[in-house]
Amino acid sequence: DGGITQSPKYLFRKEGQNVTLSCEQNLNHDAMYWYRQDPGQGLRLIYYSQIVNDFQKGDIAEGYSVSREKKESFPLTVTSAQKNPTAFYLCASSSGRAAFGELFFGEGSRLTVL
Amino acid sequence: AQKVTQAQTEISVVEKEDVTLDCVYETRDTTYYLFWYKQPPSGELVFLIRRNSFDEQNEISGRYSWNFQKSTSSFNFTITASQVVDSAVYFCALSERTGANNLFFGTGTRLTVIP
Repeated sequence: DGGITQSPKYLFRKEGQNVTLSCEQNLNHDAMYWYRQDPGQGLRLIYYSQIVNDFQKGDIAEGYSVSREKKESFPLTVTSAQKNPTAFYLCASSSGRAAFGELFFGEGSRLTVL
Repeated sequence: AQKVTQAQTEISVVEKEDVTLDCVYETRDTTYYLFWYKQPPSGELVFLIRRNSFDEQNEISGRYSWNFQKSTSSFNFTITASQVVDSAVYFCALSERTGANNLFFGTGTRLTVIP
């Protein structure tokens, strides 16, 4: 089935550690996104990529890093510089720019910092 | 600056009741796009509808309908004859033509349909 796969679903991290969240899509979409969701808040954009080997910062990129070496993959690293990393992270993809169509989302990764 | 307000944090209805979820937006762009997404307990957001600023026609899709009114900057969502499967968090979102790579989401409305 076509879709977006995020892993792991749940992740625990000690303070000071970097963690990488995986996002893979088989929809042949050019664009991929990472959003952060906190309780009672909307989704906020961390990074997006419109094409392989290119990515742009979103509204809350500090403390995060990404890479886009393959069309189908867009991993997110939460670094130790992220002050409050405990959150629900959602990966999405689209065939064009976000405004012009539908975003397809994965089921998310819940990160808890102990 | 763009902003999306969903004033209803949580709504509970009894099955078969109609329910309207409110969405008010702010933007300076004359060209913009409005969306509704559903987030079931499984976590992923599911696309429901997209509307551009030049199309104020109301839309109906089965039990779902949307009312877009530019005069009041609102894009409300109505579920008719609600069902338990409609229980989810619903997000309204806005994208402007000048920032078309990003969607600005409201804080969501949690709908619980009681059997």
